[in-house]
Amino acid sequence: NAGVMQNPRHLVRRRGQEARLRCSPMKGHSHVYWYRQLPEEGLKFMVYLQKENIIDESGMPKERFSAEFPKEGPSILRIQQVVRGDSAAYFCASSPLTGLTEAFFGQGTRLTVV
Amino acid sequence: AQSVTQLDSQVPVFEEAPVELRCNYSSSVSVYLFWYVQYPNQGLQLLLKYLSGSTLVESINGFEAEFNKSQTSFHLRKPSVHISDTAEYFCAVSNSGGSNYKLTFGKGTLLTVNP
Repeated sequence: NAGVMQNPRHLVRRRGQEARLRCSPMKGHSHVYWYRQLPEEGLKFMVYLQKENIIDESGMPKERFSAEFPKEGPSILRIQQVVRGDSAAYFCASSPLTGLTEAFFGQGTRLTVV
Repeated sequence: AQSVTQLDSQVPVFEEAPVELRCNYSSSVSVYLFWYVQYPNQGLQLLLKYLSGSTLVESINGFEAEFNKSQTSFHLRKPSVHISDTAEYFCAVSNSGGSNYKLTFGKGTLLTVNP
């Protein structure tokens, strides 16, 4: 049973481009969470999704950021018109039930905006 | 709102020495507590967690943490560290009720074990 898979591991984008980060949850997990780790900071909650539903997006910036978890395929975190301040590590976690007591994190995607 | 304070950003120790990584939290509701470890160039791995019951929790690789409600602390300890324990350690807290998927993390403590 593979763990939570995130790709790409590293992503470089120029200012104004779009970034797409993918997260494949563990087999049997239907709950996905995205967290962001800014330099010198702890991880911060962004969004919680179940299949085809956004449950809680209270941690998402209001503009340029969106997330989805379709019926088939990975969860996608999309950042439009990236800016230097978006440079961070983005981590995805998944769990079989709601809550993070049994969650597993992926290795993260490190986004660098140049 | 919740917050987590990891008092030491870096902790250098020699191999086989004991270590304590400090974590304090604030919350107006009951909490779950977690320690995660991040090895270089890897993702977060759950080290141990406190959900309820015994306030002393242990991991399979010799770490332990004790939940102290009166001091709002959840310090991580190991009596004898190895080189392979070099990593960043994150303390985290969530509500024990609804919204327990929202972890609040500390800024991390970089443990460096030297020979």
